[in-house]
Amino acid sequence: QKEVEQNSGPLSVPEGAIASLNCTYSDRGSQSFFWYRQYSGKSPELIMFIYSNGDKEDGRFTAQLNKASQYVSLLIRDSQPSDSATYLCAVGGSQGNLIFGKGTKLSVKP
Amino acid sequence: DAMVIQNPRYQVTQFGKPVTLSCSQTLNHNVMYWYQQKSSQAPKLLFHYYDKDFNNEADTPDNFQSRRPNTSFCFLDIRSPGLGDAAMYLCATSREYLAGYEQYFGPGTRLTVT
Repeated sequence: QKEVEQNSGPLSVPEGAIASLNCTYSDRGSQSFFWYRQYSGKSPELIMFIYSNGDKEDGRFTAQLNKASQYVSLLIRDSQPSDSATYLCAVGGSQGNLIFGKGTKLSVKP
Repeated sequence: DAMVIQNPRYQVTQFGKPVTLSCSQTLNHNVMYWYQQKSSQAPKLLFHYYDKDFNNEADTPDNFQSRRPNTSFCFLDIRSPGLGDAAMYLCATSREYLAGYEQYFGPGTRLTVT
């Protein structure tokens, strides 16, 4: 059974701090990794994807991938209250399917 | 703007009364997916279409059916909704059904079963 694990949280950080969200996956053959943000009652919104080991930066967001450790993370710099949401980690299967984690709830306190 | 649209946004149906949810896309993507998401859970894939080819997940109940009459539209039919089918139903699209292609979600339909 291919699995994606995330700490459910809530993860609480003060405004302006760095939020660090983590995800581990079981399928060593996975090649694509995605982070979705989901506000309460809304649908998931794609915010980052990464395919290669290392870091990928987009504005305040940095995705980090370590395939040897089967670990992917999302860093949010200068966290804002509007970043408060559930962050879903999704791992690409061998074809086109995505395997989602249950998400980590982030709360950014003003 | 290219997008994924779902209608209705909120649907209330009675136990056992058939219901149809719709999804349309202007992205011209080949693949359309239907997910079910319950509170605090991961989205669960029900099925997907690659063009007109239908692919059912092994654990999707027979109560759930889907139609894709053309590239732009896809429907989810729930033949006899039970209380356990109350959930958010998410439509998503991707350009190809291959590893590495991103999926884009519509706003979802919140289904309530009374």
